[in-house]
Amino acid sequence: EDKVVQSPLSLVVHEGDTVTLNCSYEVTNFRSLLWYKQEKKAPTFLFMLTSSGIEKKSGRLSSILDKKELFSILNITATQTGDSAVYLCAGRGGSEKLVFGKGTKLTVNP
Amino acid sequence: NAGVTQTPKFRILKIGQSMTLQCTQDMNHNYMYWYRQDPGMGLKLIYYSVGAGITDKGEVPNGYNVSRSTTEDFPLRLELAAPSQTSVYFCASSMTSSYNEQFFGPGTRLTVL
Repeated sequence: EDKVVQSPLSLVVHEGDTVTLNCSYEVTNFRSLLWYKQEKKAPTFLFMLTSSGIEKKSGRLSSILDKKELFSILNITATQTGDSAVYLCAGRGGSEKLVFGKGTKLTVNP
Repeated sequence: NAGVTQTPKFRILKIGQSMTLQCTQDMNHNYMYWYRQDPGMGLKLIYYSVGAGITDKGEVPNGYNVSRSTTEDFPLRLELAAPSQTSVYFCASSMTSSYNEQFFGPGTRLTVL
């Protein structure tokens, strides 16, 4: 059975800190790994990773995939209170279905 | 474009009642999905569709039914509501498949008492 595990489940930091969120996956016929940000409502798309070792970057957020070790990390530098959210990781295999992890709840305090 | 829209936003049902959660997308996406999200949990796939007339079960399909008569609409039907179906339901769509992100609707919060 396909599985995605995120760690930590929750994290509390101060503004300005750098955080690393982890995602490990076991997905049959793996095709891509996606990161979403969820702030009380619908998840919003952050990154999709398909190739190992290539960093995707958007402002203070970046993510990288390691297909050999079956994990991905999401980095957020110089965190702001607006980064407070649940970050979801999802793996997609050959069946076109996304398998989601439970998410990491990030709280950034001023 | 409105993107993915869902109605209603909130609903309270009594045990045994039925209801349909509506989902519409205006992006001409072939793929559509229904998820449920329980507190502290990730999203679990209920049903999905790869095009009009084609639907398939996801991880947790029991107690639900879907249909896809048009590209735009993908309603989710609960026939006999149970307290275990209390959850937030998200509809999503994507253009093709493996290399496209899914776009999510705003969600429907359903409580079954």
